[in-house]
Amino acid sequence: DSGVTQTPKHLITATGQRVTLRCSPRSGDLSVYWYQQSLDQGLQFLIQYYNGEERAKGNILERFSAQQFPDLHSELNLSSLELGDSALYFCASSDRGLYNEQFFGPGTRLTVL
Amino acid sequence: GQQVMQIPQYQHVQEGEDFTTYCNSSTTLSNIQWYKQRPGGHPVFLIQLVKSGEVKKQKRLTFQFGEAKKNSSLHITATQTTDVGTYFCAGPPSGGFKTIFGAGTRLFVKA
Repeated sequence: DSGVTQTPKHLITATGQRVTLRCSPRSGDLSVYWYQQSLDQGLQFLIQYYNGEERAKGNILERFSAQQFPDLHSELNLSSLELGDSALYFCASSDRGLYNEQFFGPGTRLTVL
Repeated sequence: GQQVMQIPQYQHVQEGEDFTTYCNSSTTLSNIQWYKQRPGGHPVFLIQLVKSGEVKKQKRLTFQFGEAKKNSSLHITATQTTDVGTYFCAGPPSGGFKTIFGAGTRLFVKA
């Protein structure tokens, strides 16, 4: 158990819909990262937040957005969903935020039908 | 932008054989991190190397960071079935924030 929690574990929805994925980092970790992993693919970095502010952005689509709240939990919002958005979405957290190892949550499996 | 390449993409070995995966970055890295993801699981941090030329060992696993801090390798001696999974390298560029993951090497071990 990494100490990072993600909800929900599974999500099935239809094209065009909007969903919110939630992540609670390890206690004390200020940095939160979001990744997308499609079937048998690598980890695509989406976005990083550090203590409530956006720190780095990867290949995140305009239909996707995220935020980190004052209590440090984070949410990833995916809208106008397409079939190709079906994937595992991982959240990770780290302390100090810059170069430290990341601790991954169990992931949310999103299926878009 | 920064790219991190890993080879091979897949590796099938007989239990007891050695295994090596290589990681190459297009830019100098501040550090290199290695993660393992078991099938159906999430990535788990293995180790971080920071210094040029650094070598670290964890039981049967040996990690190296290149002198130019642009490449790294993970070597497993005498693989076991518990070693199966995908091994990812990752690193932020020097002076940068974004940690980029390689595509991973998926290891299959046949008993």
